[in-house]
Amino acid sequence: DAGVIQSPRHEVTEMGQEVTLRCKPISGHDYLFWYRQTMMRGLELLIYFNNNVPIDDSGMPEDRFSAKMPNASFSTLKIQPSEPRDSAVYFCASSPSREASFGSGTRLTVV
Amino acid sequence: AQSVTQLDSHVSVSEGTPVLLRCNYSSSYSPSLFWYVQHPNKGLQLLLKYTSAATLVKGINGFEAEFKKSETSFHLTKPSAHMSDAAEYFCSRGSQGNLIFGKGTKLSVKP
Repeated sequence: DAGVIQSPRHEVTEMGQEVTLRCKPISGHDYLFWYRQTMMRGLELLIYFNNNVPIDDSGMPEDRFSAKMPNASFSTLKIQPSEPRDSAVYFCASSPSREASFGSGTRLTVV
Repeated sequence: AQSVTQLDSHVSVSEGTPVLLRCNYSSSYSPSLFWYVQHPNKGLQLLLKYTSAATLVKGINGFEAEFKKSETSFHLTKPSAHMSDAAEYFCSRGSQGNLIFGKGTKLSVKP
């Protein structure tokens, strides 16, 4: 199994641009999570899905953030428009029920 | 609300000495508890998990953790630190996909 696959690994974009982060979970995992990690706030849960349905999006910072899971093998996290304070490492993780497997993350820099 | 508290943001030990990373959780009827490790510029990797079986859980790389219900604790230990153990460690609890992480403890290992 290739594990959780995230793309891109690094993204540098200008303020105001749209950014799309992608995730392919482990096959058979019913849960998918998006986390954001910064020095100041640590690891924050943004949203999680169960069987492709968003269950809890209370961690999504504001309307500029949106996440979708059109099928069991793909999810996106979109930021539109992006701002410098969105700079962070974004992790996707998937889980069969309890423990999670994490991707390598996308390091986003908004300048 | 369920929570996880890691009592130390930074722990420094000498190589060959014991490691203790502390974690307390808010009381729950049946917690599933985990420890993850994150090396620089990497995703989180599962170290060990407790899921209501043996209270002493052994993980990878010589780490273990003991579940103590009376103290609502799940501290991570290792008898002898190695330089390669230097990383950030996260305690986590999970229930039906809702994974909550502590703020993390950065472990430094001095030669």
